[in-house]
Amino acid sequence: AQKITQTQPGMFVQEKEAVTLDCTYDTSDQSYGLFWYKQPSSGEMIFLIYQGSYDEQNATEGRYSLNFQKARKSANLVISASQLGDSAMYFCAMREGEDSGYALNFGKGTSLLVTP
Amino acid sequence: EAQVTQNPRYLITVTGKKLTVTCSQNMNHEYMSWYRQDPGLGLRQIYYSMNVEVTDKGDVPEGYKVSRKEKRNFPLILESPSPNQTSLYFCASRGVAGRVYEQYFGPGTRLTVT
Repeated sequence: AQKITQTQPGMFVQEKEAVTLDCTYDTSDQSYGLFWYKQPSSGEMIFLIYQGSYDEQNATEGRYSLNFQKARKSANLVISASQLGDSAMYFCAMREGEDSGYALNFGKGTSLLVTP
Repeated sequence: EAQVTQNPRYLITVTGKKLTVTCSQNMNHEYMSWYRQDPGLGLRQIYYSMNVEVTDKGDVPEGYKVSRKEKRNFPLILESPSPNQTSLYFCASRGVAGRVYEQYFGPGTRLTVT
């Protein structure tokens, strides 16, 4: 079964607007971590933000914030004040357990296009 | 500069010709891993290693081998490549101290098997 679900294959947002990229996850573990990565057209994977399952506050990193709703098993990425350089693929990922062999389970990604 | 390097970055080869993709990290990380990325499928883990001489299969290990003889290196070996192994490959590493949640990814190796 898919452990990470990203339901939006593609999204558009206008420059300077905020955008939310959806991510839901499936796990029975109590301890897990949630990640968001950005992949521009050049191909590299860029770490954006991390949320631990025991973290009480939503994670924030600059213009990125993670809207963590544990009961709903969702970990949506919010990008505020979008910039043209934010156009890229975005992947949500989860690591289960305290140390589950280092595996990250990735979603299929959301392609974000920021328009002028 | 902390980094994960992969070589080659691009490779076109023919079916059955053995190849090795190298991966090296300079951060003294214990954990290293290989992923493949295919359109519409996201990234899937091939193999991982929790330390020297300790390796295990990920989700899609068929057709691949790995070794971890030194802490910094984690090569991916395709003994007899086939066209269905055409993909974008990423190596990643992670430590056990500091920002332990942060994985460092290599730049990727784009492999085409004809």
